[in-house]
Amino acid sequence: AQKITQTQPGMFVQEKEAVTLDCTYDTSDPSYGLFWYKQPSSGEMIFLIYQGSYDQQNATEGRYSLNFQKARKSANLVISASQLGDSAMYFCAMRVPDSNYQLIWGAGTKLIIKP
Amino acid sequence: NAGVMQNPRHLVRRRGQEARLRCSPMKGHSHVYWYRQLPEEGLKFMVYLQKENIIDESGMPKERFSAEFPKEGPSILRIQQVVRGDSAAYFCASSRNTNEQFFGPGTRLTVL
Repeated sequence: AQKITQTQPGMFVQEKEAVTLDCTYDTSDPSYGLFWYKQPSSGEMIFLIYQGSYDQQNATEGRYSLNFQKARKSANLVISASQLGDSAMYFCAMRVPDSNYQLIWGAGTKLIIKP
Repeated sequence: NAGVMQNPRHLVRRRGQEARLRCSPMKGHSHVYWYRQLPEEGLKFMVYLQKENIIDESGMPKERFSAEFPKEGPSILRIQQVVRGDSAAYFCASSRNTNEQFFGPGTRLTVL
């Protein structure tokens, strides 16, 4: 069965420090995609970064990078130089073809950036 | 190019009433997904539709819930005879094919 696990329910980080949010996944499908979304207190779901299972390099988008370790089935999100506006819920999600491309979601990590 | 639009943003219903949630996908997108987010939880897949077809409704409760995506107009998620446990945020996402899904702002349903 496909599953996403985020083991950190909450994190406090000092402003300007780097942050790593953990995500592990489980699937037997060799082809899958991994996503990270940010959900601020306003509630919308904001796409951050995507990693395909066949991508050779780790994905990066500005201050966001994805530490993809395929053998360990982990896809941690790294935020460099954190800012106060990064305070939000962060969700890791996986898409697999066998599931009709629906997204399977982790429980989320609440990140609070301290000034 | 407008993003995914959902309305209403907030909906309050009394127990036993009907709730109709609308989703207009991005222009050119023919795939629509509905997800439900209970408080303090991640999203849970409900249903996947393409124009006029339900492709996968494995996440939909068997009773009271239905979804459609007609040839013309928005996708509708309909909840009949709402109960307090239906209170949640309902997100719609659209995609052009099976790649990245773009999310709407969500509809927050409160059942009194």
